[in-house]
Amino acid sequence: GAVVSQHPSRVICKSGTSVKIECRSLDFQATTMFWYRQFPKQSLMLMATSNEGSKATYEQGVEKDKFLINHASLTLSTLTVTSAHPEDSSFYICSASVSGQDLSLHFGNGTRLTVT
Amino acid sequence: GQQLNQSPQSMFIQEGEDVSMNCTSSSIFNTWLWYKQDPGEGPVLLIALYKAGELTSNGRLTAQFGITRKDSFLNISASIPSDVGIYFCACTQGGSEKLVFGKGTKLTVNP
Repeated sequence: GAVVSQHPSRVICKSGTSVKIECRSLDFQATTMFWYRQFPKQSLMLMATSNEGSKATYEQGVEKDKFLINHASLTLSTLTVTSAHPEDSSFYICSASVSGQDLSLHFGNGTRLTVT
Repeated sequence: GQQLNQSPQSMFIQEGEDVSMNCTSSSIFNTWLWYKQDPGEGPVLLIALYKAGELTSNGRLTAQFGITRKDSFLNISASIPSDVGIYFCACTQGGSEKLVFGKGTKLTVNP
């Protein structure tokens, strides 16, 4: 089946630094990937839609200058949390759909970000 | 924004029992997806439903896309300890691939 790989699985960083999270589709091409954020014991909230070769589309309330998204190829999207603060600590998850098929969204294993 | 009402919020059952959970909405959706999430991991797709009235099985799991396109249920038969986790319903609307998630059902299976 379709596999989405996310890296790193865990990261701890200091306030003010930037962190890059990678999302790769391993055995299929994904023109569109999605980035979600999940707080403890809560559901997933869509942050942005990552489009290959074009600018990402951000959901209302998500700062595009803080959460930089780059989708440089059909198998890779990156999310960079810039100038991280403790309130950015969360579980970040990406997903990708298999192009040309009935919608079947597959998720990466998530990245646990802790900002100290 | 769009909201999915998922119930129950949590369930505590004995191994071997059947489980049922559902999601409803006031809006019409094109696709219903059911996911399971284990702690510290991403959601894993269990069943995808694309047509109103569609009934689909995946092993011990059965899910249906409501005829009104505003609801769906997921049944798990003969539960086992590894069924423990959080189950989410998720939907798409129109031509979008953006998912709206329910709040999840936390399942605990006592051996």
